Amino acid sequence: QLQLQESGPGLAKPSETLSLTCSVSGGSLTGSSDYWGWIRRPPGKGLEWVATIDYTGRTYYNPSLGSRLTISVDVSRNQFSLRVTSVTAADTAVYYCARHRGSGSYWDYWGLGTLVTVSS
Amino acid sequence: EVVLTQSPDFQSVTPKEKVTITCRASQSIGSSLHWYQQKPDQSPKLLIKFASQSFSGVPSRFSGSGSGTDFTLTINSLEAEDAATYYCLQTSSLPLTFGQGTKLEIK
Repeated sequence: QLQLQESGPGLAKPSETLSLTCSVSGGSLTGSSDYWGWIRRPPGKGLEWVATIDYTGRTYYNPSLGSRLTISVDVSRNQFSLRVTSVTAADTAVYYCARHRGSGSYWDYWGLGTLVTVSS
Repeated sequence: EVVLTQSPDFQSVTPKEKVTITCRASQSIGSSLHWYQQKPDQSPKLLIKFASQSFSGVPSRFSGSGSGTDFTLTINSLEAEDAATYYCLQTSSLPLTFGQGTKLEIK
């Protein structure tokens, strides 16, 4: 059974860089046709797709978040990560990591989420 | 960007009622529409994939229909455990987008 678990700092200061990691167990990040990504939910708001990386290493980003995002994979650790630069209060959210299999498919496995608060 | 608009935003319902939630896309997305249920402090759970296909392990009272721009999630004979927020997601084109959510309250 595939399991995903997010880890992050909990609190970040405005203008800092936020780093989040998703640890994957019960499966490999190099699986053919697998896409790994991040979705967030700001408090009191709905879900927002953030970024995805596919099994070839190709990356996809939500343009509404500008050029502040970097998603990457560490195959040796079976982890993938998200970096968000120049964070503001608007980046406060529960961040979920998730997987979907195949282009244009649904997210089927999700982590439990990690809350990140941006505040001075 | 495909904008998904759900209705209603909120609904208060009694057990055993039938509930219908709609999701309208700003342009045609074929059947690339999926429904999720999210309860407080939990991650979203997939209910329906590709508009009408039930996901493994989901109770049969949940069903979906539609294609193109208009989609529906139906919950037959609502149970107390169905209190949650429901989201639609389109995967037809990037950026992936969600509807704003429909909160179901059980009376």
